[in-house]
Amino acid sequence: QVQLHQWGAGLLKPSETLSLTCGVSGGSFSGYYWSWIRQPPGKGLEWIGEMNYSGITNYNPSLKTRVTISLDTSKNQFSLKLTSVTAADTAVYYCARGPYISVWGQGTLVTVSS
Amino acid sequence: EIVMTQSPATLSVSPGERATLSCRASQSVGSNLAWYQQKPGQAPRLLIYITSTRATGIPARFSGSGSGTEFTLTISSLQSEDFAVYYCQQYNIWPRSFGQGTKVEIK
Repeated sequence: QVQLHQWGAGLLKPSETLSLTCGVSGGSFSGYYWSWIRQPPGKGLEWIGEMNYSGITNYNPSLKTRVTISLDTSKNQFSLKLTSVTAADTAVYYCARGPYISVWGQGTLVTVSS
Repeated sequence: EIVMTQSPATLSVSPGERATLSCRASQSVGSNLAWYQQKPGQAPRLLIYITSTRATGIPARFSGSGSGTEFTLTISSLQSEDFAVYYCQQYNIWPRSFGQGTKVEIK
């Protein structure tokens, strides 16, 4: 049974870089897309991007200039970096296994506030 | 970018009744459509993938249908635990995209 556990800073100031990591246990990286999805408070789900085992990434065009997703298979982890955050980036961030999301992390509330 | 539009925004249903949720894509997504259920304070849960395949452990009262641009999630007889927000997602084309959600509430 694959499980995802994520961690990272929950409070950022505007212009800082959001950094989250997701640990994968109980399964292999191959054959899946390792994804990040976010959900602003009281709103719907927004797909941020994903990386597959071969290192191919796909990003949401609305975030593409600020987002980097990386995979560290030696540590069974993948990560999200989002630069130059603003209040609009305040959301619960989920790591997930895609392309349809069969496994979700527990979610991390990231608040951007001065 | 494919825009997913769900209707209605809110559906009021009595326990035991049937609920029908719609999801429309702005262009064809083939059969690459999934449905999720989300309860307050929880991560979403996968219900259906490839339009009509139930995920592991999902009760048979949940069913999906459709193809191309029009999709439906049907809950045949609503149980108390089914009152939640439901999202559709296309994973046929990048960027992947979600609908805005349908809230199923108790009538």
